[in-house]
Amino acid sequence: GENVEQHPSTLSVQEGDSAVIKCTYSDSASNYFPWYKQELGKGPQLIIDIRSNVGEKKDQRIAVTLNKTAKHFSLHITETQPEDSAVYFCAARGNAGGTSYGKLTFGQGTILTVHP
Amino acid sequence: EAGVTQFPSHSVIEKGQTVTLRCDPISGHDNLYWYRRVMGKEIKFLLHFVKESKQDESGMPNNRFLAERTGGTYSTLKVQPAELEDSGVYFCASSQDRPGLRFFGPGTRLTVL
Repeated sequence: GENVEQHPSTLSVQEGDSAVIKCTYSDSASNYFPWYKQELGKGPQLIIDIRSNVGEKKDQRIAVTLNKTAKHFSLHITETQPEDSAVYFCAARGNAGGTSYGKLTFGQGTILTVHP
Repeated sequence: EAGVTQFPSHSVIEKGQTVTLRCDPISGHDNLYWYRRVMGKEIKFLLHFVKESKQDESGMPNNRFLAERTGGTYSTLKVQPAELEDSGVYFCASSQDRPGLRFFGPGTRLTVL
């Protein structure tokens, strides 16, 4: 089945700096890659996603890039703010999901801390 | 619009006891998913309901876990008997569109002592 590796496990940056989180996946048939932000006491919140026919997607300060050949995708947050501090998860939907379109394989999570 | 809700938010039980977790999806969402995160590791898929039917239960760890969704509305996940390794945070999510999974509940933190 699909396997997703996420790095780094923790990331500490100064306010205003950029943050990059990287993930690799194993199933070359995977076609959908969402990113989630989880704040304390809350469930994961979808912040951006990308499909396999697109190489890059941007939404204000966040962007995701996908390299299908290398089977890796990354989350980029620019001009970080203290409220960006949270746990971030990447995920992939492998071909084995069948008709379970919400069946995702998650990475291990990255604890992002943005220092004022 | 109300989001996905889960009850209880926390549960502490002893090994061998039974616990039932509840999830109320967003109204009108046919798809309901259960996930769990154990010991700070990755979030893992447990199962998927479409209305009241189990579409995919390949992630259920063993037969101590029983999920139901009577009437296609709320869902329950029962663990009986609970073991130490069942401790973790159990998330529920619902969706109507493919392939996104946008709406997660806040989770139930289960601690088995």
